[in-house]
Amino acid sequence: LAKTTQPISMDSYEGQEVNITCSHNNIATNDYITWYQQFPSQGPRFIIQGYKTKVTNEVASLFIPADRKSSTLSLPRVSLSDTAVYYCLVGDQAGTALIFGKGTTLSVSS
Amino acid sequence: EPEVTQTPSHQVTQMGQEVILRCVPISNHLYFYWYRQILGQKVEFLVSFYNNEISEKSEIFDDQFSVERPDGSNFTLKIRSTKLEDSAMYFCASSDYGFPGQPQHFGDGTRLSIL
Repeated sequence: LAKTTQPISMDSYEGQEVNITCSHNNIATNDYITWYQQFPSQGPRFIIQGYKTKVTNEVASLFIPADRKSSTLSLPRVSLSDTAVYYCLVGDQAGTALIFGKGTTLSVSS
Repeated sequence: EPEVTQTPSHQVTQMGQEVILRCVPISNHLYFYWYRQILGQKVEFLVSFYNNEISEKSEIFDDQFSVERPDGSNFTLKIRSTKLEDSAMYFCASSDYGFPGQPQHFGDGTRLSIL
């Protein structure tokens, strides 16, 4: 089970690009990297998933270097509504169960 | 976009009573899950369910808890003899496949308050 490390909190201003890096030194060959977002009083929401290089969707980009020991979630031009907790999950997580850490609390100000 | 829906949004119950939390997963999904989040703490896995059977459960999911898919659309979590420490947000999730790391779709939860 790959352990992940991500910053506890980050602050940003509206319109800025935010990059949240997650370290996962013990990632296994078959492990995917998945990011979830959680707003207060709501369930986690899947944002993006990748295995290597770069993945982009309408919400975010995920950058994964060749060694896959870290990954960076990039949120372009954040707004106040991007204030949330962002979780990096790696690996088979003991089967299909998702094992959440404390995540990164992103605060966006005007 | 299809959603996972949960009812009720807030449930208040006296300690020792039984509660049933209800979920309607996304219609073509086959794998179902329950998680809980105590206020200010991490989201914790409780149980996963596939083909009318529990496929995985955590240490939290003891004999006090049970899950059921009573019909083709609902998925329920029953908590017997509730305790104060059962107060938490309970999230239902579903996925179309069951491989490790498969993205799961969460509902907005039921806030359970035990008095």
